Amino acid sequence: DADVTQTPRNRITKTGKRIMLECSQTKGHDRMYWYRQDPGLGLRLIYYSFDVKDINKGEISDGYSVSRQAQAKFSLSLESAIPNQTALYFCATSRGTMNTGELFFGEGSRLTVL
Amino acid sequence: GEDVEQSLFLSVREGDSSVINCTYTDSSSTYLYWYKQEPGAGLQLLTYIFSNMDMKQDQRLTVLLNKKDKHLSLRIADTQTGDSAIYFCAESTRDDKIIFGKGTRLHILP
Repeated sequence: DADVTQTPRNRITKTGKRIMLECSQTKGHDRMYWYRQDPGLGLRLIYYSFDVKDINKGEISDGYSVSRQAQAKFSLSLESAIPNQTALYFCATSRGTMNTGELFFGEGSRLTVL
Repeated sequence: GEDVEQSLFLSVREGDSSVINCTYTDSSSTYLYWYKQEPGAGLQLLTYIFSNMDMKQDQRLTVLLNKKDKHLSLRIADTQTGDSAIYFCAESTRDDKIIFGKGTRLHILP
C-alpha cells in the first residue's frame, strides 16, 4: 500500500463547482504539502502545514484552501473551480530539514475543470 | 523571493554522460535536491547534497555544488534508456519550504 494516498486520482468537473482533493499518509510525518504541476512550470507550492495547528500559504494559494484534519490527513479545496486550475496536484510529506527534508509524494490527482 | 532555474530539455545519446544544471537564489539553503519523475508517477528523491559539501557521488550520479555561484549540477554517467524522465532541482528555503525548478526533460537517443 502507498504511504501517501491521494483521492481522487482523476476528476473532471465544471467551472464554479466546489472540489476537494484528499491526502492521507501512514508515514507518521508532521509536515504535509500540496503542490501543483503544470507542463513547463514545474511544481509550485500551494499550501503547507508543519503540524496539525499550522497552516501556511505557498507561492500560489489564491483560489485554494486547505484543512489539516489530523496528523495523517491534509485536504485541498477549490471553492469555485476555474479552468486555469486544471493541473496535476501532488500531496507530499516530510520529516523536515532537521533530517534531510526529503519529500515523499503521492501519485497525484489529475483535475480537469471544463 | 526564492527561485530555482533549470533548462527544460536535454537530449543525450545512450552511453554518454548527461549533465543537468540548476541555479538557485536562497544562499541559506541547507539542502539541495535532485528529484526524478518518471511518466505517470510522482516525484522521488534521486539524491541530495548538504550545503557545506562541494561534491557528492553515488554510483552513476555525481552532484556538484558551487555555493559562490549558487549553481548545482547533476551528472549521470553511462546514461541508459531507464534514465529518461523529468529531473527537478529543488532547494530548502530559510523558512523550511522546498522550492522546485521547472524540471528538465531528459531524452535518450539510441
